[in-house]
Amino acid sequence: QKEVEQNSGPLSVPEGAIASLNCTYSDRGSQSFFWYRQYSGKSPELIMSIYSNGDKEDGRFTAQLNKASQYVSLLIRDSQPSDSATYLCAVRMARGQNFVFGPGTRLSVLP
Amino acid sequence: GAGVSQTPSNKVTEKGKYVELRCDPISGHTALYWYRQSLGQGPEFLIYFQGTGAADDSGLPNDRFFAVRPEGSVSTLKIQRTERGDSAVYLCASSLTSGQGTGANVLTFGAGSRLTVL
Repeated sequence: QKEVEQNSGPLSVPEGAIASLNCTYSDRGSQSFFWYRQYSGKSPELIMSIYSNGDKEDGRFTAQLNKASQYVSLLIRDSQPSDSATYLCAVRMARGQNFVFGPGTRLSVLP
Repeated sequence: GAGVSQTPSNKVTEKGKYVELRCDPISGHTALYWYRQSLGQGPEFLIYFQGTGAADDSGLPNDRFFAVRPEGSVSTLKIQRTERGDSAVYLCASSLTSGQGTGANVLTFGAGSRLTVL
């Protein structure tokens, strides 16, 4: 089992819709979870972090964490064409303290 | 500096050659991470430093890969006897610390060094 798994996509949604991105992880001891956005040819940039079970909202973005199910998700409301990018889920490992990234989900928001 | 700086931005080399990739982190950031990203994949962890020491080098694929950070700032990733499979974008990231808390958890990435081994 890979340490961090995501659906590779592509996920296509129409402009204005909600995009839902999912991630599962294997290390039960992990406490810190992140979503990065990566535009084609660019480096990843942090958009959300979440540490506690439940929802965390920041503008159009909501991160959801369920540690019992080892599941993290990202919702993007009112999706815009500028949201089209690859979204990377990252987990900070309990052992080693390094950050492990998933393969990313490519999101395409259609005008 | 203002951001994480990586040089060179592009490197084309021949199979079997030696390559060095350099990362200059954000000033004051004590933690520095190296990742490798192949097309269509997520970043793959290689090694991270806290200060001058390698805190975790478990991601280095084999003994052809080595990294140093002698003064706790600039880091160099060294690849010996390059192979075609080493072709990827090598990303460097830094964070304020490597412990707990916001400063430890915000990774800022450089633009990457694209390595092509012919």
